[in-house]
Amino acid sequence: GDSVTQMEGPVTLSEEACLTINCTYTATGYPSLFWYVQYPGEGLQLLLKATKADDKGSNKGFEATYRKETTSFHLEKGSVQVSDSAVYFCALMDSSYKLIFGSGTRLLVRP
Amino acid sequence: DTAVSQTPKYLVTQMGNDKSIKCEQNLGHDTMYWYKQDSKKFLKIMFSYNNKELIINETVPNRFSPKSPDKAHLNLHINSLELGDSAVYFCASSQGLESNQPQHFGDGTRLSIL
Repeated sequence: GDSVTQMEGPVTLSEEACLTINCTYTATGYPSLFWYVQYPGEGLQLLLKATKADDKGSNKGFEATYRKETTSFHLEKGSVQVSDSAVYFCALMDSSYKLIFGSGTRLLVRP
Repeated sequence: DTAVSQTPKYLVTQMGNDKSIKCEQNLGHDTMYWYKQDSKKFLKIMFSYNNKELIINETVPNRFSPKSPDKAHLNLHINSLELGDSAVYFCASSQGLESNQPQHFGDGTRLSIL
């Protein structure tokens, strides 16, 4: 079945450092891809999405590009803030409209 | 105003008991979901309802039964609770099933089985 693999965390960075969280997927066809963020004690929030190859999703300084050739959707940000500390989930929507999530990557940003 | 609200936020109970978690959304969405997040943060869909009709029913024990009295509500009833049911349960909703309809999540219900 379809699956999503994310890099294990935690990822610990200093404020203003560059961020990359790797995400690769296995799927039949070309699923839509998503990044969700979960702040402590809260539910998940959609951060960005891309629905077809070469699409770039972006929001709040975060970006991710749908790479069909490498089946990847890496999350990047040029300069992280303390307020970005959260758990980030990569996900795909399969052909039966189910969201399949990766295992999540915890990001800790230190002042 | 809370878009997707779940009650209770915390639920601590004994093994063998029956409990319910309620979910309501005020977004006018047609589709609602239940997810389970385990202690390692792994998140997996359990059920999905579209216009009160069951659409997705993952491999979940029969002890779990969702009920959708109307489009705005999707409750989760769990019979004969087991230790392995301890998790955070999230309700979510979306306008429809398609990928361009983002899912909005509640803040979760943390279920602890003693």
